[in-house]
Amino acid sequence: GQSLEQPSEVTAVEGAIVQINCTYQTSGFYGLSWYQQHDGGAPTFLSYNALDGLEETGRFSSFLSRSDSYGYLLLQELQMKDSASYFCAVRALRDSNYQLIWGAGTKLIIKP
Amino acid sequence: GAGVSQSPSNKVTEKGKDVELRCDPISGHTALYWYRQSLGQGLEFLIYFQGNSAPDKSGLPSDRFSAERTGGSVSTLTIQRTQQEDSAVYLCASSLGRGRTDTQYFGPGTRLTVL
Repeated sequence: GQSLEQPSEVTAVEGAIVQINCTYQTSGFYGLSWYQQHDGGAPTFLSYNALDGLEETGRFSSFLSRSDSYGYLLLQELQMKDSASYFCAVRALRDSNYQLIWGAGTKLIIKP
Repeated sequence: GAGVSQSPSNKVTEKGKDVELRCDPISGHTALYWYRQSLGQGLEFLIYFQGNSAPDKSGLPSDRFSAERTGGSVSTLTIQRTQQEDSAVYLCASSLGRGRTDTQYFGPGTRLTVL
């Protein structure tokens, strides 16, 4: 079957660095995406990794290791506005269609 | 240009009634997705359209749920004989449909409450 695992909740302090891990088990893997969702809002795209390594976009970075079926989202210089849920999603080929298979999400709580 | 829009933003209905939820995707996006999200939970995939056809309906929870898309644009999700467990936020997303590197853009969702 196909599955993704990520922690349900992570707590960090404003100004600090936090890493949200995601492990996956899937066939037809093409890449790993990360989405952010604020309470009451819609998910918004953050990053996509198709190749091994680290992709950096401002304060956010995303990492992928295809051999370990593992990725993470790294948030630096945390701000209160970063409090949100973060979803990893695997892009996989299923029945000739590319699909996004979603994790259950990690709620990031930031304390002042 | 405009993003994905959904209507209504909120819908309260009585158990047993039918509801229709509408999604207007971003112009030019060929792929359209419906998801369901219960409070504090992740996204539950319902159905995917490529153009007007639905190659993947595997996520529809029962035969009370159906969806259609016309003109490669607007989509309607219909829930017949609603049940209390149907209460959730229904999210629609669209994408260019280019496959591997496709990014999905989400609408604000419709919050459905079944009394």
